[in-house]
Amino acid sequence: QVQLQESGPGLVKPSETLSLTCTVSGGSISSYYWSWIRQSPGKGLEWIGYIYYSGSTNYSPSLKSRVTMSVDTSKNQFSLKLTSVTTADTAVYYCARGVHSYGLYFDCWGQGTLVTVSS
Amino acid sequence: DIQMTQSPSSLSASAGDRVTITCRASQNINNYLNWYQQKPGKAPKLLIYAASSLQSGVPSRFSGSGSGTDFTLTISSLQPEDFATYYCQESYSTPQTFGQGTKLEIK
Repeated sequence: QVQLQESGPGLVKPSETLSLTCTVSGGSISSYYWSWIRQSPGKGLEWIGYIYYSGSTNYSPSLKSRVTMSVDTSKNQFSLKLTSVTTADTAVYYCARGVHSYGLYFDCWGQGTLVTVSS
Repeated sequence: DIQMTQSPSSLSASAGDRVTITCRASQNINNYLNWYQQKPGKAPKLLIYAASSLQSGVPSRFSGSGSGTDFTLTISSLQPEDFATYYCQESYSTPQTFGQGTKLEIK
């Protein structure tokens, strides 16, 4: 079955860029809406955005100015960049597979990776 | 953004009990409502999509209902592995938003 695995630094300094990659195994990255979702004690679960395998994107309006997502179909990977981070961006970051039916729901998730923003 | 409000925030129950969790949307979302289960240190797991459709592999003791603004997740007979936190998520608009969660604890 499809498995997702996040990778990237666990510690990022304030004002720098958070970069994460999600590797998809056991299935193709073609089709589906590949998403990033984060979870922090203060804000609960927060959808960051998605990238379709073709490269089209949709970002949360609250993060849109700082978010860039990309996809590499040859490696079955997609990535997240979040610029100008602050301590408020400290969270567990999940990558997830989005199914577009009755809107977008998430049927497969990575295990999550904790990213701490601190100097 | 659409606000999703779950009730109760926490709930104590015993194995074998029937449990209902409620999720209310701040506006009409038709049946664009999904439910997830999350255990400590793990990612959320999809249980129900489109308000009442059971995700493949999820036990039939889980069911969902509702439309418009009011939705429920019901567990017909609690099993020990069901003690977890449950979240609703609306998929009607961008950004998709989640409820604050309902923590189901053992009585």
